[in-house]
Amino acid sequence: QVQLRESGPGVVKPSGTLSLTCAVSGGSVTSTYWWSWVRQSPGKGLEWIGEIYHSGKSNYNPSLRSRVTVSLDKSKNHVSLTMTSVTAADTAVYYCARDRGQLVRGGSFDFWGQGARVTVSS
Amino acid sequence: SYDLNQPSSVSVSPGQTATISCSGQTLGSKDVSWYQQKPDEPPVLVIYEDNKRPSGIPERFSGSHSGNTATLTISGTRAMDEADYYCQVWDIRTDFYVFAGGTRVTVL
Repeated sequence: QVQLRESGPGVVKPSGTLSLTCAVSGGSVTSTYWWSWVRQSPGKGLEWIGEIYHSGKSNYNPSLRSRVTVSLDKSKNHVSLTMTSVTAADTAVYYCARDRGQLVRGGSFDFWGQGARVTVSS
Repeated sequence: SYDLNQPSSVSVSPGQTATISCSGQTLGSKDVSWYQQKPDEPPVLVIYEDNKRPSGIPERFSGSHSGNTATLTISGTRAMDEADYYCQVWDIRTDFYVFAGGTRVTVL
């Protein structure tokens, strides 16, 4: 059973950089799955941020593309998210999630982490 | 960007059937997934590919899809089904996962 666990600083200053890590256990980030980040602002719905494949290919939400990077650390079995120039609008719970399709994209997320709460505040 | 629409809330009596709709242009050409999310918990996939249930999801959850509208049905609704429900698609044209705004199901 795959388990995902997000970690990172709970508070980030405005205009700063948000960095989160998703530790994967029970599976490998080098396996043929897409790994995504999804966020949820307080009291709001879910917003897909971006994804990465084991090959390193990545895709991003166009509204965030200029500020976001998703990467893999194969040695640590981690998926990472970096978001620059954050504002209060980036305050949210950030989830790591895996697309359920192996080799062929499934189009939905079967495993999710518990989420990391990030507040942008000075 | 691609838009999906859901009602903001649905109320249902215990034991009755709750139905949640999800609509979008060209939805007929996409596979729809549904998630359940309870307060302070991550989403849980309850339906994928329009009508398939992941292992462990009760049979009272079912999905259907006709034209540009997909529907999540909860039969024999229980108090434990009170949650937010989100429909979601993957847009193959843009490699983009899209979520609708969510429906709060209240079991009265």
